[in-house]
Amino acid sequence: SAVISQKPSRDICQRGTSLTIQCQVDSQVTMMFWYRQQPGQSLTLIATANQGSEATYESGFVIDKFPISRPNLTFSTLTVSNMSPEDSSIYLCSVGSNTGELFFGEGSRLTVL
Amino acid sequence: GNSVTQMEGPVTLSEEAFLTINCTYTATGYPSLFWYVQYPGEGLQLLLKATKADDKGSNKGFEATYRKETTSFHLEKGSVQVSDSAVYFCALSPSSGTYKYIFGTGTRLKVLA
Repeated sequence: SAVISQKPSRDICQRGTSLTIQCQVDSQVTMMFWYRQQPGQSLTLIATANQGSEATYESGFVIDKFPISRPNLTFSTLTVSNMSPEDSSIYLCSVGSNTGELFFGEGSRLTVL
Repeated sequence: GNSVTQMEGPVTLSEEAFLTINCTYTATGYPSLFWYVQYPGEGLQLLLKATKADDKGSNKGFEATYRKETTSFHLEKGSVQVSDSAVYFCALSPSSGTYKYIFGTGTRLKVLA
């Protein structure tokens, strides 16, 4: 299984600011994803991070709010823009294995005041 | 559409008790089914999986059987330990090759010594 490192592990941010979360994988992976886990709720897929092209966003998520970069096969970033308290969540980077499983990073816990 | 329903928690058990966490699903086609575990302060880890009807996934003393007739994938463990305290997520992948998982809301398990 891949080792997935996320930074920051947690942060407290002010309303209206933006935060970029980094995800580093210890091996090259084709499929990379960003999930959100709101307090007390399940995981929701934000987008698929595509290497060398624009990310593919799920319904309810837009590039202006959650811009994603994927410069190579081991790294991706997710930015949460113009934050509001409703954006307080755990953001999880995940990668797909060639056997159909998802592996997750430890998550980035974001609190917006 | 596809969905996953888990029993609500929290579930509190004494050490060595028997554990069942119910999970039922709705899906078209032939989904793969998963249980993930999230220990305090950590990311999600794959616990076990089953890819076709009547398959039994098992790991660390946990088991779950893919029951197509009842559309269920209940998680069981014969004797829980304090170290099993975590949040457990049931999930499905709608079809082979897709990573767009549908997650349940999670069930928090607390095991008392």
